Amino acid sequence: NAGVMQNPRHLVRRRGQEARLRCSPMKGHSHVYWYRQLPEEGLKFMVYLQKENIIDESGMPKERFSAEFPKEGPSILRIQQVVRGDSAAYFCASSPKVRGEAFFGQGTRLTVV
Amino acid sequence: DQQVKQNSPSLSVQEGRISILNCDYTNSMFDYFLWYKKYPAEGPTFLISISSIKDKNEDGRFTVFLNKSAKHLSLHIVPSQPGDSAVYFCAASANTGNQFYFGTGTSLTVIP
Repeated sequence: NAGVMQNPRHLVRRRGQEARLRCSPMKGHSHVYWYRQLPEEGLKFMVYLQKENIIDESGMPKERFSAEFPKEGPSILRIQQVVRGDSAAYFCASSPKVRGEAFFGQGTRLTVV
Repeated sequence: DQQVKQNSPSLSVQEGRISILNCDYTNSMFDYFLWYKKYPAEGPTFLISISSIKDKNEDGRFTVFLNKSAKHLSLHIVPSQPGDSAVYFCAASANTGNQFYFGTGTSLTVIP
């Protein structure tokens, strides 16, 4: 059973470009969470999705950020018009149930230059 | 507002001794707690959890203690091994919400 797969592992974008981060949850997991870790900080919740539905996006900036988890395919975190402050490690986690143990991917390290 | 706090950014322990990592929380609605371990350039790995109906949960070398009145939990690792050197995060969740709130982590170094 493959773990949570995130790609790319590293992503470099120039200011103003778009960043797309992908997350394939573990097989059988329908709950997906996205977290962001800024340097020297803990993990900050961004968004919680179930298949085709955004359940809680209270941690996501209102502008430029969006997330989806389509019926088929991976969950996508999209950042439009990236700025230097978006540079961080973005982690995806999946769980088989609400508030169950979440299994994390290896993260995507976004660098905005 | 940091609802889950790990006040010790780092901890060093001799191999074979006990490591105690602490975590405090402010939200009395939290009823489920987890500990994760993270190596550099990797994602967090689940270690152990505890629900508020218990005050202790043990799994091998790892034991988590929960003191609800003090809003405090701790992770004990005994005996500590060099491979335990990593950053440890505690996380908490309330049954009224969907997310886990993470602390800022404690970097544990186990000295051979």
